[in-house]
Amino acid sequence: QQQVKQSPQSLIVQKGGISIINCAYENTAFDYFPWYQQFPGKGPALLIAIRPDVSEKKEGRFTISFNKSAKQFSLHIMDSQPGDSATYFCAASISQGGKLIFGQGTELSVKP
Amino acid sequence: SAVISQKPSRDICQRGTSLTIQCQVDSQVTMMFWYRQQPGQSLTLIATANQGSEATYESGFVIDKFPISRPNLTFSTLTVSNMSPEDSSIYLCSVELPFGAQYFGPGTRLLVL
Repeated sequence: QQQVKQSPQSLIVQKGGISIINCAYENTAFDYFPWYQQFPGKGPALLIAIRPDVSEKKEGRFTISFNKSAKQFSLHIMDSQPGDSATYFCAASISQGGKLIFGQGTELSVKP
Repeated sequence: SAVISQKPSRDICQRGTSLTIQCQVDSQVTMMFWYRQQPGQSLTLIATANQGSEATYESGFVIDKFPISRPNLTFSTLTVSNMSPEDSSIYLCSVELPFGAQYFGPGTRLLVL
């Protein structure tokens, strides 16, 4: 029940296309859902996060869509660029206490 | 956000030895965490570093193997004890800021021979 399942494991997108990564969770106590971007040799960087009181959050080219009834959330990267090539992790936590449960990661490659 | 540094950034160690990793943050934070990221894998929480009390360990991680210190609100150390090649991983500290946002350090890349 503590798992967060992420798909796909890898994704190849053409420059200018839309990258979509999906995550699903079971624990309805989760109330904080961040996405992290990790480049090789670096620590994960917080990209965008959402709480279940909203269904969508947009920051620049990055959008989180959240479906509370389906217990799913997804990251959309619009106008994908080669510089977006990285590994993306979704996560979930019960915000007071902060233990993050991570998805398995998606390796995104954006082709020029 | 928070600026987090870790030392060392990488190390190569011999089997049976121990390594202490330091984590420093530029502001006082209540919650600090230590994670492990095995090669090509996701992140797994090792423990929550509590200031003024013993760390809280996750299932599968024990204090004898991963002792943690948290002497103040800006600093923590993680020791990887009696290392084996299976301990080769990236070790990451993170801090939680108000409203739940969690930020990670750059990581310590450990190779055990």
